[in-house]
Amino acid sequence: GAVVSQHPSWVICKSGTSVKIECRSLDFQATTMFWYRQFPKQSLMLMATSNEGSKATYEQGVEKDKFLINHASLTLSTLTVTSAHPEDSSFYICSASNSDPKVFNEQFFGPGTRLTVL
Amino acid sequence: AQTVTQSQPEMSVQEAETVTLSCTYDTSESNYYLFWYKQPPSRQMILVIRQEAYKQQNATENRFSVNFQKAAKSFSLKISDSQLGDTAMYFCAFMKYSGGGADGLTFGKGTHLIIQP
Repeated sequence: GAVVSQHPSWVICKSGTSVKIECRSLDFQATTMFWYRQFPKQSLMLMATSNEGSKATYEQGVEKDKFLINHASLTLSTLTVTSAHPEDSSFYICSASNSDPKVFNEQFFGPGTRLTVL
Repeated sequence: AQTVTQSQPEMSVQEAETVTLSCTYDTSESNYYLFWYKQPPSRQMILVIRQEAYKQQNATENRFSVNFQKAAKSFSLKISDSQLGDTAMYFCAFMKYSGGGADGLTFGKGTHLIIQP
């Protein structure tokens, strides 16, 4: 159990276009989802916290108008990179937290999405 | 804000040896969790072990154990009888306790562990 999927796994786009990345919890309900960014050979940096039915909370330095996050259901959160530029090229990873109060709120990670902006 | 420091960018040991990865952290929180995650070349993050800060007993999961020193803010990972499949990036991570829900993780820079045959 506790599987999180991401789609697409790899996307290449032209500079100036927008790209949407989906994060789904397949076998559990996730009240909270998180979006991380990982540059090559570097660590994961938290970008934002997404709660179902409410606005996302962005970390300091993350442009909310560039990285639009929507968490419309308990199993789906989306990250849209608007007007993408080459510096947005990175590996984006989502995680989802089980909303069951009876279990520890472990985060389950998706497999990641590699974004390349030309 | 909290910080997590991993001072060993890379380590290499022979198969079957024991290896210890270091992690220190800084926080003003009193309730929190600490984790070790493994990221193999597939880049899928895998939870190795977790420690609740309020528990004095060190966590253990099969060949993996931690040495949690709360006063020193140290959280090292020991891998016993290392195997080739343990080759991966290992990240130490911190999560503050937020009263019933998960919070975002703060990661260290990682240690690239290589197990030599």
